[in-house]
Amino acid sequence: AQKVTQAQTEISVVEKEDVTLDCVYETRDTTYYLFWYKQPPSGELVFLIRRNSFDEQNEISGRYSWNFQKSTSSFNFTITASQVVDSAVYFCALSEGFRDDKLIFGTGTRLQVFP
Amino acid sequence: DAGITQSPRYKITETGRQVTLMCHQTWSHSYMFWYRQDLGHGLRLIYYSAAADITDKGEVPDGYVVSRSKTENFPLTLESATRSQTSVYFCASSESIRQEAGNTIYFGEGSWLTVV
Repeated sequence: AQKVTQAQTEISVVEKEDVTLDCVYETRDTTYYLFWYKQPPSGELVFLIRRNSFDEQNEISGRYSWNFQKSTSSFNFTITASQVVDSAVYFCALSEGFRDDKLIFGTGTRLQVFP
Repeated sequence: DAGITQSPRYKITETGRQVTLMCHQTWSHSYMFWYRQDLGHGLRLIYYSAAADITDKGEVPDGYVVSRSKTENFPLTLESATRSQTSVYFCASSESIRQEAGNTIYFGEGSWLTVV
């Protein structure tokens, strides 16, 4: 069965600290996609990244970086030098790509960045 | 040019009433989805559709009905609203699957529904 676990319910940091959001997934498929979405206080869901199961290269985009490790079924998200605008709920999600695009979401991690 | 829009954005209704949440996308995406977001559960899939006239149940379909007569629209109906259906509802869409493309799913802004 597919499952996404975000064990951290809430994280609080002070501005400029680095913070890592954990995501652990379960799937029986060899082909799948992993996602991160950001939900700011305004409520919309903002797409951050998509990764397919064949590409384990880490990715960096500005202050954001993602570490994908199939050996531990993890897809962790790190924000470097956090800012107040990073305060949001972050969702990790899994899609088993061949059959359909249904996303299985984790329960989310609320990040609060204090000035 | 909003891409995917939901209406109404905010709705209060009474127990037992029928409520329809509308979703419209301008990309001609094949796939459309309805999710509900509840504290402690993240987002859970209610129904999805792979194309016009093709719909299927997700994780929490009970109490909901969907239709997809046109590719661009995917309304969600609560036939007899209950308080447990108080939630934030998100519509989403994506292109047809291609392994090499690795689809991105785009979400609407959400519809806040309160059942009293």
